[in-house]
Amino acid sequence: DTEVTQTPKHLVMGMTNKKSLKCEQHMGHRAMYWYKQKAKKPPELMFVYSYEKLSINESVPSRFSPECPNSSLLNLHLHALQPEDSALYLCASSQDPSGTGVEETQYFGPGTRLLVL
Amino acid sequence: GQNIDQPTEMTATEGAIVQINCTYQTSGFNGLFWYQQHAGEAPTFLSYNVLDGLEEKGRFSSFLSRSKGYSYLLLKELQMKDSASYLCAVRAESGGYQKVTFGTGTKLQVIP
Repeated sequence: DTEVTQTPKHLVMGMTNKKSLKCEQHMGHRAMYWYKQKAKKPPELMFVYSYEKLSINESVPSRFSPECPNSSLLNLHLHALQPEDSALYLCASSQDPSGTGVEETQYFGPGTRLLVL
Repeated sequence: GQNIDQPTEMTATEGAIVQINCTYQTSGFNGLFWYQQHAGEAPTFLSYNVLDGLEEKGRFSSFLSRSKGYSYLLLKELQMKDSASYLCAVRAESGGYQKVTFGTGTKLQVIP
C-alpha cells in the first residue's frame, strides 16, 4: 500500500479566510512533505517534517503554517492568502528521512487544488 | 544549487520507443528519480537510480551516468495512456538534509 490521502480535493477561499489542508499516510513513513505546484511547472518544495519535527522550511511566507500532529498526519494551515497562492498543493511521504536509497522514494497524494479569490 | 534540464515537449507514435533525457549539475548527489504525472494528477514514482547503469522495469527503463550528470528514461511499446509529463528529480545533500529537486518535466504526447 503506497497511499497518501489528502483532503479536501478542491478548495476556494477568500483572502481573509482561514482554512486547513490535511494529509494522511499509514505506511509508517517518517518523513512528510508539502509541495506547491503551479500549472505547467514542477513541484516546489515548501516544508519537510522528519520524525514529526520540521526539518526544512524553504523560506515559505508565514501565511502558510505547517503542523505535524503525529507520524501519520500532516496539516497545512492557510491564512490571509493571496491570489498568486492559487495552485495544486501536494503532500508526499517517504520511509526514511535520512536514507539515501530507494527507501527515500517519495509517494504523493492526489493533491488539493486551491483557488484564492 | 542544482540545475536540472529536460526537453520541454516530445511527440512519439503508439507502439514506438521514446527516450527522455535529463542532465543535472549538483553537489552531494544521492540518487535520481523519474516520476510520471498526468494532467491534474499527482506524480507517481517510476524508477530510481543511484549507481551507474540501467534499471529495467517492464516497459520502462532508466539509465544513469554519474560522471556525466546524465540520465534517461526509456519507454518501450508506447501506449496512448503514456501521454503525460515525465519529471526527473535529483536528490542531493543540502544543509545537512537530503533534498529532492524536480526538473521542469517533459510533456510526452503519444499519437496513433
